Amino acid sequence: DSGVTQTPKHLITATGQRVTLRCSPRSGDLSVYWYQQSLDQGLQFLIQYYNGEERAKGNILERFSAQQFPDLHSELNLSSLELGDSALYFCASSVTAGGQETQYFGPGTRLLVL
Amino acid sequence: GENVEQHPSTLSVQEGDSAVIKCTYSDSASNYFPWYKQELGKRPQLIIDIRSNVGEKKDQRIAVTLNKTAKHFSLHITETQPEDSAVYFCAAMRGGSNYKLTFGKGTLLTVNP
Repeated sequence: DSGVTQTPKHLITATGQRVTLRCSPRSGDLSVYWYQQSLDQGLQFLIQYYNGEERAKGNILERFSAQQFPDLHSELNLSSLELGDSALYFCASSVTAGGQETQYFGPGTRLLVL
Repeated sequence: GENVEQHPSTLSVQEGDSAVIKCTYSDSASNYFPWYKQELGKRPQLIIDIRSNVGEKKDQRIAVTLNKTAKHFSLHITETQPEDSAVYFCAAMRGGSNYKLTFGKGTLLTVNP
């Protein structure tokens, strides 16, 4: 158990809908990262938040957005869902020690868009 | 942007043999190279990493080598065991304000008993 929690574990929804995925980082970790893992695209970095502020953006679609709250939990919002959005969504939190950052992944949310 | 190529996509070895997975990257600003192991249905787990100022790092049966000039790095697993069977991902990271983490496509390693 990495200490990173994600809810829900599974989500089934229809095209055009909107869903929210939730992530709680490890205690004390200020950074949260979101990733999408699909069969055709592999593991892709979406976005990073650090202490409530967006820090870096990866391959995140405009239909997707995220935020990090004062208690450091984060939510990833996926809207106007398409079949191709079906994937595993991971969040990770990180700790930096000795100038080196280590990321710990949560268990993931499996999204199925029908 | 960064492009990380990983080979092979599948690798089958006999228990006790060594396994080598290779990755190349394109962004010379990448300075951190983690390797993740992902078992079926589970989360990626960091198994070893290397920074750009180091050429080799070893942790028990796992080692990683980095050639900055050639922009390639490799994962070496010795004395493989069936529990090493998983998908392995390499990644290249550029830190700081231009943070970017790019993963390879993964290698499915099967260790046959």
